[in-house]
Amino acid sequence: AQSVSQHNHHVILSEAASLELGCNYSYGGTVNLFWYVQYPGQHLQLLLKYFSGDPLVKGIKGFEAEFIKSKFSFNLRKPSVQWSDTAEYFCAVSVSSNTGKLIFGQGTTLQVKP
Amino acid sequence: GAGVSQSPSNKVTEKGKDVELRCDPISGHTALYWYRQSLGQGLEFLIYFQGNSAPDKSGLPSDRFSAERTGGSVSTLTIQRTQQEDSAVYLCASSSTGYEQYFGPGTRLTVT
Repeated sequence: AQSVSQHNHHVILSEAASLELGCNYSYGGTVNLFWYVQYPGQHLQLLLKYFSGDPLVKGIKGFEAEFIKSKFSFNLRKPSVQWSDTAEYFCAVSVSSNTGKLIFGQGTTLQVKP
Repeated sequence: GAGVSQSPSNKVTEKGKDVELRCDPISGHTALYWYRQSLGQGLEFLIYFQGNSAPDKSGLPSDRFSAERTGGSVSTLTIQRTQQEDSAVYLCASSSTGYEQYFGPGTRLTVT
């Protein structure tokens, strides 16, 4: 069965620090990859997605992620975080030959100190 | 335009009672998904609808859980004889493509 692993459960950073959140998945076939964000009191929002093509994808609010097929990874990065980036971040995988259902990682809580 | 809406936003029920949770997807979205977000299990897929049919029910945890979708639009998730372990946030998502999903605000279910 497919699974998604997020290595960091709780990350605390100061403003302007760089961010990298790890995500690995287990599936040998073609996948679609997503990062979703959930700000406090808000619903899940799509941050960025990878379907095919350039493995470096850019999303909203200065976030980017790199798909490394050989490592089954899709790490999220941001060069300089802001206090407003405090949120929970979820990596998710959809198997292309499937129904589009998402398999989520456990989530990473990011706390940015002003 | 309007996003995915869910009702109620909060539901407190006694153990053993039945509950119905409603999802209104984005207009025109043919794919609809239910997920559950709980402290111990994270975000889990429950069921997928394409139109009114549910080709993937593999995530429903027990036969106490059922869902239907009518008119290719509104969906209802029903939990019969609720148990304390059913306490969670139930999320609905819809999609026009089957890949990029848009989530609703969720229904927080508390079983006492």
